Amino acid sequence: GESVGLHLPTLSVQEGDNSIINCAYSNSASDYFIWYKQESGKGPQFIIDIRSNMDKRQGQRVTVLLNKTVKHLSLQIAATQPGDSAVYFCAGPSGGYQKVTFGTGTKLQVIP
Amino acid sequence: DTEVTQTPKHLVMGMTNKKSLKCEQHMGHRAMYWYKQKAKKPPELMFVYSYEKLSINESVPSRFSPECPNSSLLNLHLHALQPEDSALYLCASSHPGREPNSPLHFGNGTRLTVT
Repeated sequence: GESVGLHLPTLSVQEGDNSIINCAYSNSASDYFIWYKQESGKGPQFIIDIRSNMDKRQGQRVTVLLNKTVKHLSLQIAATQPGDSAVYFCAGPSGGYQKVTFGTGTKLQVIP
Repeated sequence: DTEVTQTPKHLVMGMTNKKSLKCEQHMGHRAMYWYKQKAKKPPELMFVYSYEKLSINESVPSRFSPECPNSSLLNLHLHALQPEDSALYLCASSHPGREPNSPLHFGNGTRLTVT
């Protein structure tokens, strides 16, 4: 999606709670989605991906859910830790498999 | 530490300078990318190289000139930049393929300031 505004949406979560970060996409033909984590001063780091033939995929403490009907993607982080504080981006191919574009991002703040 | 190495980490240059950003990966990836990221914004695609050939140029101004000398190296040559070009420049690599099933691996970027 296109980025707008100067402020990142922010999600504040108590340490130990679960976090849910959402992403909407517009292209019905999109068939691959990736979640990245970007910590301050670093490049985006791959977390987990999912193909459109799946509804759910689990990793270590993270789960991605894909709802193709409403074109919605979510990242769930279990037992959120201070080290999870970062900006999270969903991403996917747009107009070609090498043209990976990013959503606007969500800043996750973990409250100790 | 990432498996994609970018140098320098920081660069300050004047509008008349010529400088180059460098990126190196040894994961055997054959697709390499340049992204530009402004503060509080997502990365924006600039260029893609696939098997050392330029496959995508997202209408980037000619003051940015990419180069892929071999499968492990990617350069971005900068000339006559404007202050609004100040940003974090990210390099990434991936396995190219017919299907979009390969995530990008990013370096930590070069923080560029144009004065």
